[in-house]
Amino acid sequence: GENVEQHPSTLSVQEGDSAVIKCTYSDSASNYFPWYKQELGKRPQLIIDIRSNVGEKKDQRIAVTLNKTAKHFSLHITETQPEDSAVYFCAAMYNFNKFYFGSGTKLNVKP
Amino acid sequence: NAGVMQNPRHLVRRRGQEARLRCSPVKGHSHVYWYRQLPEEGLKFMVYLQKENIIDESGMPKERFSAEFPKEGPSILRIQQVVRGDSAAYFCASSPARGDTEAFFGQGTRLTVV
Repeated sequence: GENVEQHPSTLSVQEGDSAVIKCTYSDSASNYFPWYKQELGKRPQLIIDIRSNVGEKKDQRIAVTLNKTAKHFSLHITETQPEDSAVYFCAAMYNFNKFYFGSGTKLNVKP
Repeated sequence: NAGVMQNPRHLVRRRGQEARLRCSPVKGHSHVYWYRQLPEEGLKFMVYLQKENIIDESGMPKERFSAEFPKEGPSILRIQQVVRGDSAAYFCASSPARGDTEAFFGQGTRLTVV
């Protein structure tokens, strides 16, 4: 099966700085990589995703990059704001039917 | 156009009782996933179901846990003879079809075993 590792487990940045969260996966057959944001007490919600035929995707302050050769993908948040504070999960879809999640990164944006 | 609905939102059970967690997927979605989240931890895969079929239950504990997704009605995660270690948030997610598509999450059921 797939194994997704996520780093760091906690990340503290100053408002306006950038935040980068990294994930690695083990199975080269994985082909879909979503990122979810989970605010305290709420459900995880998709913020951005990338498919294996693309190397980078951007949506305003959020970007995701994928390196298929190295089997890693990263979330980049620029100009961070206090409302970006949450837990972020990466995931890899394996064998078209199962999402494996990383362990999560708790992001704290200090005003 | 309702999203994934889980109920109850909060469930308190005494040790030894049964817990039944329900998940109604997004209308038209035929794939359901269940995940468990312990406090301050990540999402751990439990089971993947399609209508009337368990596709992958490799994350389910071998005993006391079972899941179903009948032809009609919600998906049910059932925990028999609950123990304190079962206390967690249980999230259900659904997706429309096999393939590289987004999974939508429900609000979760927070199970507390006393």
